[in-house]
Amino acid sequence: DIQMTQSPSSLSASVGDRVTITCRASQGISNYLAWYQQKPGKVPKLLIYAASTLQSGVPSRFSGSGSGTDFTLTITSLQPEDVATYYCQKYNSAPFTFGPGTKVDIK
Amino acid sequence: QVQLVESGGGVVQPGRSLRLSCAASGFTFSNYGMHWVRQAPGKGLEWVAIIWHEGSIQYYTDAVKGRFTISRDNSKNTMFLQMNSLRAEDTGVYYCAKDLVMAVPYGMDVWGHGTTVTVSS
Repeated sequence: DIQMTQSPSSLSASVGDRVTITCRASQGISNYLAWYQQKPGKVPKLLIYAASTLQSGVPSRFSGSGSGTDFTLTITSLQPEDVATYYCQKYNSAPFTFGPGTKVDIK
Repeated sequence: QVQLVESGGGVVQPGRSLRLSCAASGFTFSNYGMHWVRQAPGKGLEWVAIIWHEGSIQYYTDAVKGRFTISRDNSKNTMFLQMNSLRAEDTGVYYCAKDLVMAVPYGMDVWGHGTTVTVSS
């Protein structure tokens, strides 16, 4: 099975900072990758699908890129409401594995 | 509005069974694949199973193969997860989630609020 890794596992940044999270697949998955945001105590929310397509209603400060094995989620200007854990997920084929998550908080 | 509501969670002894339900509303249920995703206390998300929109195809994560069965009743807009031979490591919040795109897995755009399963003696 394809394994998903994320880095870093956690980060702390200031409001307004640019934040980048990396997701790596152990084998190529084309662009079959989604990103989710889970705020503390809340349900996960789809941010991006097809590696770079912003889900409706998601602020434009979020963006995704990549293809094959390497992907990034970028927050161009971190806001206090972005404190959350971010997960990538592959969906090219089952199992639809999630990455281990990246916890983002405010410095 | 589009909504998913899970039920059926609870406290159960190791080796026993539990059946979760996910009631859908606000969309054409029979057009979309559906997933179960779980989250152990303080841990990350773990994808558990998918059932195709018409119910003919199911896949599972290795940890539950042979013990869990996903099914759906499109006439009742409901999905199920039959969990047998439960183990302590099955403890967590179980979410049902809807595929973003009709008929193919493409990310999950709607999630329920989850139902909690605790496996403990």
